[in-house]
Amino acid sequence: QKEVEQNSGPLSVPEGAIASLNCTYSDRGSQSFFWYRQYSGKSPELIMFIYSNGDKEDGRFTAQLNKASQYVSLLIRDSQPSDSATYLCAVNNMGGGNKLTFGTGTQLKVEL
Amino acid sequence: GAVVSQHPSWVICKSGTSVKIECRSLDFQATTMFWYRQFPKQSLMLMATSNEGSKATYEQGVEKDKFLINHASLTLSTLTVTSAHPEDSSFYICSAVQRSYEQYFGPGTRLTVT
Repeated sequence: QKEVEQNSGPLSVPEGAIASLNCTYSDRGSQSFFWYRQYSGKSPELIMFIYSNGDKEDGRFTAQLNKASQYVSLLIRDSQPSDSATYLCAVNNMGGGNKLTFGTGTQLKVEL
Repeated sequence: GAVVSQHPSWVICKSGTSVKIECRSLDFQATTMFWYRQFPKQSLMLMATSNEGSKATYEQGVEKDKFLINHASLTLSTLTVTSAHPEDSSFYICSAVQRSYEQYFGPGTRLTVT
């Protein structure tokens, strides 16, 4: 079973703080890693993807990948109440074609 | 770029009837689209992979005769829920692959079967 695991949360952070969301995956052959944001009642929105070890920054978001530890994270700087949502980690597994395996998501609450 | 639309956004139908949901990639061609279902407070569940010009591939436990998928062109895939029952009420979401496994989701279709 190729799994992607996330802490369901909720993760509560104060406005302006850094939110750190974590994800581990079991398939060592995974090549591509994605973070999606899903607001309640809405569909997921792609916010970041990363393919190589290290950090990738896009605005307030930084994705971090460590293939040796099978770990990918998402940092959100200067968290805003509008960042409150469920964040889904997704991984493309070897031999899975274009399919992604999704984690169950981490609920983030940014408090005023 | 990478915009995916779905129609309708919500639908209410009577038990035993069929409902068709359309998924379109508006600004790119997608040889592969996916159909997901999501129940309240649960994670996405992949139902099937839709490939342009070929039969869909269904995930284990998904009835292919109940959930008919047609991927007639590089920008359009349809999901038809046949003989719908109340337990089919859910949020149906499609996604389209633009490149290198990047999936972009449509806004979803909320189906209620009465």
